[in-house]
Amino acid sequence: EVQLVESGGGLVQPGGSLRLSCAASGLTFSNHGINWVRQAPGKGLEWVSYISSSTRTIFYADSVEGRFTVSRDNARNSLYLQMNSLRDEDTAVYYCTRDGLSGDYGGPNWFDPWGQGTLVTVSS
Amino acid sequence: QSVLTQPPSVSAAPRQRVTISCSGSSSDIGNNFVSWYQQLPGAAPKLLIYDNNKRPSGIPDRFSGSKSGTSATLGITGLQTGDEADYYCGTWDSSLSVWVFGGGTKLTVL
Repeated sequence: EVQLVESGGGLVQPGGSLRLSCAASGLTFSNHGINWVRQAPGKGLEWVSYISSSTRTIFYADSVEGRFTVSRDNARNSLYLQMNSLRDEDTAVYYCTRDGLSGDYGGPNWFDPWGQGTLVTVSS
Repeated sequence: QSVLTQPPSVSAAPRQRVTISCSGSSSDIGNNFVSWYQQLPGAAPKLLIYDNNKRPSGIPDRFSGSKSGTSATLGITGLQTGDEADYYCGTWDSSLSVWVFGGGTKLTVL
């Protein structure tokens, strides 16, 4: 079965840190770029970050630039998102999603498949 | 406020046809491919359309996509109650080097 499984979400105080993980199974991981997309409660989708298959290309949304760091371990079929200096507005379900094209392109192309998401709650 | 503009909601009767628009600019839709995602209540998003008008395997041909200039459109024919969901368009913004989504459109099948 093709799936992406996120983990590491939870409750954290403002200013705190959290590390999310995304594990892939049943699909080719190492040849594709991977994205993080988040969704605040009752709100729409917001793209967070992209990392290319080789890690040569990394992009961040302005809202997380300088606070979040994306990385990947192709040998472990895993993706990570280190989130520091968390704010109330970072509260959301965080999804990892594979880029639709295999290869190292200049940025995201389309997103398929998606994980089930992990909830991050930033609150005192 | 989202970079891509979608109507907040659309509705139609079963078996009818509906379209959802997505409006952008020359730096995003105007120069890049558009994809569409369906999010059923309580579920993760799912890819419906990529490269403006291509359907992944398993997506019925009731779903279609098109693009003209700086706008894109998702069409759904033969509406079913199971199509009730939020729909999002998305594309790359070449000027800002960020991916942008529309604000989402809630489809109600009356």
